[in-house]
Amino acid sequence: DVKVTQSSRYLVKRTGEKVFLECVQDMDHENMFWYRQDPGLGLRLIYFSYDVKMKEKGDIPEGYSVSREKKERFSLILESASTNQTSMYLCASSSSGQGERETQYFGPGTRLLVL
Amino acid sequence: DQQVKQNSPSLSVQEGRISILNCDYTNSMFDYFLWYKKYPAEGPTFLISISSIKDKNEDGRFTVFLNKSAKHLSLHIVPSQPGDSAVYFCAATSAGGYQKVTFGTGTKLQVIP
Repeated sequence: DVKVTQSSRYLVKRTGEKVFLECVQDMDHENMFWYRQDPGLGLRLIYFSYDVKMKEKGDIPEGYSVSREKKERFSLILESASTNQTSMYLCASSSSGQGERETQYFGPGTRLLVL
Repeated sequence: DQQVKQNSPSLSVQEGRISILNCDYTNSMFDYFLWYKKYPAEGPTFLISISSIKDKNEDGRFTVFLNKSAKHLSLHIVPSQPGDSAVYFCAATSAGGYQKVTFGTGTKLQVIP
């Protein structure tokens, strides 16, 4: 079974703090993703990575950065947390496959509250 | 600009009846479509997918229909069960996109016993 774990289920931070969200997958997947889920907006892609040290901006990268130093780990960084970054953050991973569109496997999510 | 739209935020269905969840997309480059299911406090899990070369894919109680000319897909659940109560996300992807997936806004399905 694919397992994607996220470092925290719930997190409360203050405005201006630097926040690290960690994600680890155990299936040797090449691709990793960070999404945020907000009511009425669905899942929106923040950043993704298709290889170690590689990263690509998603649809809403502003205010975020990422790090992928090892294949199994993908970190999302909020450089200076703001209240509009209060959200559910979901990490996912997938294999590159052989020309097929591989399923994404999600972690349980981190609910972040920025005060 | 929402490229994948689910216009019904919620749906209630009696147990045993059919649930039909709809999804529209605008990007003609999308050629592979997926449905994910999400329970509260859990991450989404893959449910079923369909390639644009097909117009139907079936897996047990779940069937996805694709109408390319209308840029519309739907998920049918027959018969609906209380355990199907969840949020369903439609998603789409295109070739060569590093597995990047565009998700819809989700439809919350409630199956009433």
